Amino acid sequence: GENVEQHPSTLSVQEGDSAVIKCTYSDSASNYFPWYKQELGKGPQLIIDIRSNVGEKKDQRIAVTLNKTAKHFSLHITETQPEDSAVYFCAASDQGAQKLVFGQGTRLTINP
Amino acid sequence: DTEVTQTPKHLVMGMTNKKSLKCEQHMGHRAMYWYKQKAKKPPELMFVYSYEKLSINESVPSRFSPECPNSSLLNLHLHALQPEDSALYLCASSQLPGSEAFFGQGTRLTVV
Repeated sequence: GENVEQHPSTLSVQEGDSAVIKCTYSDSASNYFPWYKQELGKGPQLIIDIRSNVGEKKDQRIAVTLNKTAKHFSLHITETQPEDSAVYFCAASDQGAQKLVFGQGTRLTINP
Repeated sequence: DTEVTQTPKHLVMGMTNKKSLKCEQHMGHRAMYWYKQKAKKPPELMFVYSYEKLSINESVPSRFSPECPNSSLLNLHLHALQPEDSALYLCASSQLPGSEAFFGQGTRLTVV
């Protein structure tokens, strides 16, 4: 089955700087890669996703890149703000398998 | 509207109790999921319902019993739980199985 590795487990950056979180996956059949943000006491919130026919996707300060050959994908957050502090999860899915497999999460802290 | 509503938000139950968690979505999604999340861990898939039929059971103990009364509702019936079952239980839905999933806020369950 699919296995998703996520790094780093914790990340601390100064407000205004960029943050990058990286994930690798094992199953070459995976074709859908979402990123979720989870704040304390809340459910995961979908923030951006990418499909295997696209190499990069951007939404304002957030971007995701995908390298299918290397089986890794990354989340980039620019101009970080205190409200970006949260736990971020990557995930991978082979839609035929009907389920998301999550990485272990990254706790991102933005220091003012 | 990407809202998935879960009730109750918090639940404390004894090991001999029977209780139910409820989940509702009105997005017309045909796939619904139950996940379990322990502290500082990623969500773990428990069940997938596709077109109101149970399509995936991730070897979940029988003390957890899912039910999908209609395309908008998903229940999780709980009976004879153990303290180690204490966790955040998350419901999610997606338009199709394995596609972008939207999570509810979760039910924080404590088994005493």
